[in-house]
Amino acid sequence: DGGITQSPKYLFRKEGQNVTLSCEQNLNHDAMYWYRQDPGQGLRLIYYSQIVNDFQKGDIAEGYSVSREKKESFPLTVTSAQKNPTAFYLCASSIMTNEQFFGPGTRLTVL
Amino acid sequence: AQSVTQPDIHITVSEGASLELRCNYSYGATPYLFWYVQSPGQGLQLLLKYFSGDTLVQGIKGFEAEFKRSQSSFNLRKPSVHWSDAAEYFCAVEILTGGGNKLTFGTGTQLKVEL
Repeated sequence: DGGITQSPKYLFRKEGQNVTLSCEQNLNHDAMYWYRQDPGQGLRLIYYSQIVNDFQKGDIAEGYSVSREKKESFPLTVTSAQKNPTAFYLCASSIMTNEQFFGPGTRLTVL
Repeated sequence: AQSVTQPDIHITVSEGASLELRCNYSYGATPYLFWYVQSPGQGLQLLLKYFSGDTLVQGIKGFEAEFKRSQSSFNLRKPSVHWSDAAEYFCAVEILTGGGNKLTFGTGTQLKVEL
């Protein structure tokens, strides 16, 4: 079955540590996205990538980094520079101007 | 800058009653519009989308939405709500930028269904 997978489902991090969230898709989509979701704030775009080896900052990129070395994969690293990283993180993919398909999400908690 | 407003944070309806969730957008051109639904702790699922053409669009699970350009609105409706419709609903607008297409989401409406 085609779809988007995110791992892990739950992630715990100590303050000061970097952590990488995985996002993989087998839909052959060119574009991939990372969103952060906090209660009452909807989804906010962190980074997005339209093609391999290229990506752009979204609205809240500070404290995050990404890479796009393969079409299928778009990992997100939450660095120690992100002051409030506890949130639900959603990855999505799309065929350019069309609806985005979402993964099941990763809940990150900083201890 | 584009924005999406969902004025109702929480809505409670009885099972079998009709439902309307409001969405207003601010964008200079005719946008692409979407409604997504999210169950607790899950990802988002597309309910319906509007790109062009007929302003009344049908979606999955018996939902429909009407695009009204004069009111900059894209309200979601369902004639008879089921208990399984309890979830959070997000309206989104897509814009095309130099770097590709981006979605801007509203803050969501939490729907509670009373049995």
